[in-house]
Amino acid sequence: DTAVSQTPKYLVTQMGNDKSIKCEQNLGHDTMYWYKQDSKKFLKIMFSYNNKELIINETVPNRFSPKSPDKAHLNLHINSLELGDSAVYFCASRGSGGVVYEQYFGPGTRLTVT
Amino acid sequence: TQLLEQSPQFLSIQEGENLTVYCNSSSVFSSLQWYRQEPGEGPVLLVTVVTGGEVKKLKRLTFQFGDARKDSSLHITAAQTGDTGLYLCAGASPGTSGTYKYIFGTGTRLKVLA
Repeated sequence: DTAVSQTPKYLVTQMGNDKSIKCEQNLGHDTMYWYKQDSKKFLKIMFSYNNKELIINETVPNRFSPKSPDKAHLNLHINSLELGDSAVYFCASRGSGGVVYEQYFGPGTRLTVT
Repeated sequence: TQLLEQSPQFLSIQEGENLTVYCNSSSVFSSLQWYRQEPGEGPVLLVTVVTGGEVKKLKRLTFQFGDARKDSSLHITAAQTGDTGLYLCAGASPGTSGTYKYIFGTGTRLKVLA
């Protein structure tokens, strides 16, 4: 069973389009994250949800809107895609309440904007 | 702004050699994690260190958390080709609702040659 899954794995689209990436975890975790990894492999946090509540919102353009319909799902919708949005987007989940809880990552979604 | 600098950025060594990767910051973290990421996959957690001065061993890998909880090192003894990958450190800072925010390091790309 896959702990954290993302769809799609690859996404190629044109500038100006709107797209969504879906994430699901079956670990029973309360907290989920979205990260962006750029071409230099730098991984940066974008959003975090805890029990469907947005708790971390880094300096991310308003074109990015996360949505958590339930604890097991965290989706990312991107409006008016730009060339600079091309990156690999990772979803992750973590149990809450302790500093030693592990963070589990999904396989990533490689977004290419042309 | 919290930053984690890793050094070296790139490392290419022969199988059997030893190596050390450093992760440095001016910020104090609640814990520090080390991940390994392979191409096309998400980061996979190797270890979490929590206490200042803590040393953890995972087979040929030795992890150390600095006394002040601002820095960490990863030492690999007798490197193998299977150790090849991108190594990432991540510092955890407490957020709201028992959650944690992770700041990732700049990454070290290791290549072990047969």
